Amino acid sequence: AQSVTQLDSQVPVFEEAPVELRCNYSSSVSVYLFWYVQYPNQGLQLLLKYLSGSTLVESINGFEAEFNKSQTSFHLRKPSVHISDTAEYFCAVSDLSHGAQKLVFGQGTRLTINP
Amino acid sequence: DGGITQSPKYLFRKEGQNVTLSCEQNLNHDAMYWYRQDPGQGLRLIYYSQIVNDFQKGDIAEGYSVSREKKESFPLTVTSAQKNPTAFYLCASSIPGAYNEQFFGPGTRLTVL
Repeated sequence: AQSVTQLDSQVPVFEEAPVELRCNYSSSVSVYLFWYVQYPNQGLQLLLKYLSGSTLVESINGFEAEFNKSQTSFHLRKPSVHISDTAEYFCAVSDLSHGAQKLVFGQGTRLTINP
Repeated sequence: DGGITQSPKYLFRKEGQNVTLSCEQNLNHDAMYWYRQDPGQGLRLIYYSQIVNDFQKGDIAEGYSVSREKKESFPLTVTSAQKNPTAFYLCASSIPGAYNEQFFGPGTRLTVL
């Protein structure tokens, strides 16, 4: 079965600084990867996804993630963060084993932006 | 607007009582899911259903039950057998396919006193 590891439970950064949230997954023949964002007391919203094609995927609010098959990673980056980016971020991989269609989530990374 | 609704937003119950959490979607999705979220533990899958009248246990199904009588609805019952029911519960749905992108509801925070 698939597994996902988010290496940092909390990441504090200053506003306008760059940030990287790390995500590694267990290897599989084919893999579909997602980053979701969760604001306090809300559900999860899809931030970006990798399904196929270009290994660099981007979101509308300046985040990007790069699929690296050899390192089994899907790290999330933003060159300059804003206070409004404060949230919890979850990496997920699609698990298609045994005919089921499930997402396996990492434990989350809490991003805190300091002014 | 299409989406997933969960009600209520906050729910309080006394220990030993069963409680049912509602999840409704108008996205015409076949698959629906229930997750439990605890601080520092990410999302854990409780139950999922890929089609009406069928559902499967997830990783932490003990103490929970579900039904899927209609495509739009996937209620979750937290029974008195669930030892630690206080948590944030999230419902999701997806179009069955090769990659399973899921759409989430706003969540229900259950507190058992």
